[in-house]
Amino acid sequence: DAGVTQSPTHLIKTRGQQVTLRCSPKSGHDTVSWYQQALGQGPQFIFQYYEEEERQRGNFPDRFSGHQFPNYSSELNVNALLLGDSALYLCASSLASAAGYTFGSGTRLTVV
Amino acid sequence: QQQVKQSPQSLIVQKGGISIINCAYENTAFDYFPWYQQFPGKGPALLIAIRPDVSEKKEGRFTISFNKSAKQFSLHIMDSQPGDSATYFCAARNSNYQLIWGAGTKLIIKP
Repeated sequence: DAGVTQSPTHLIKTRGQQVTLRCSPKSGHDTVSWYQQALGQGPQFIFQYYEEEERQRGNFPDRFSGHQFPNYSSELNVNALLLGDSALYLCASSLASAAGYTFGSGTRLTVV
Repeated sequence: QQQVKQSPQSLIVQKGGISIINCAYENTAFDYFPWYQQFPGKGPALLIAIRPDVSEKKEGRFTISFNKSAKQFSLHIMDSQPGDSATYFCAARNSNYQLIWGAGTKLIIKP
């Protein structure tokens, strides 16, 4: 039973560029949440997708956007990258009615 | 009110000892309190979780103690092993289904 799969694992981008990160949820899960984890800190909630719609959003600018596909997979897009966007981006999946979240190993984004 | 405060920031415990990590919160609407373990370069992995109507939950060597009136909960790791060395995060889920995380505790178990 595959867990949460994220791609790519590592990424280096230049300031001002755009990036797309991908997530496949655990089998049977229909809800995807995205988190940003800076080095040495706890994850910060970006947004959550359910039924292909953004259900909740954390305190992140509009440069951060996402999408959920009919197969429940999801993408996180970040435009106009800043140096401060360098972080580990984590995807977590769950069942809408349940509280158990399964995390992927993350995508390490470095903005130079 | 959305914060979860975690302590200590780092902890060194001898092999076989008890590791204790504490968290405190303010928002009484939090309805789910998980603990995650994270190794370097990996995503967080759920260790154990509790709901506020339960005062204690034990799974193997891991126990959560929950004090609803004090708005505090803690993780106890019994018979700590070198393989337990990792960063531990407490979290709490709010009414918007968001997990609010503590700042993490770096645990080192000395052989």
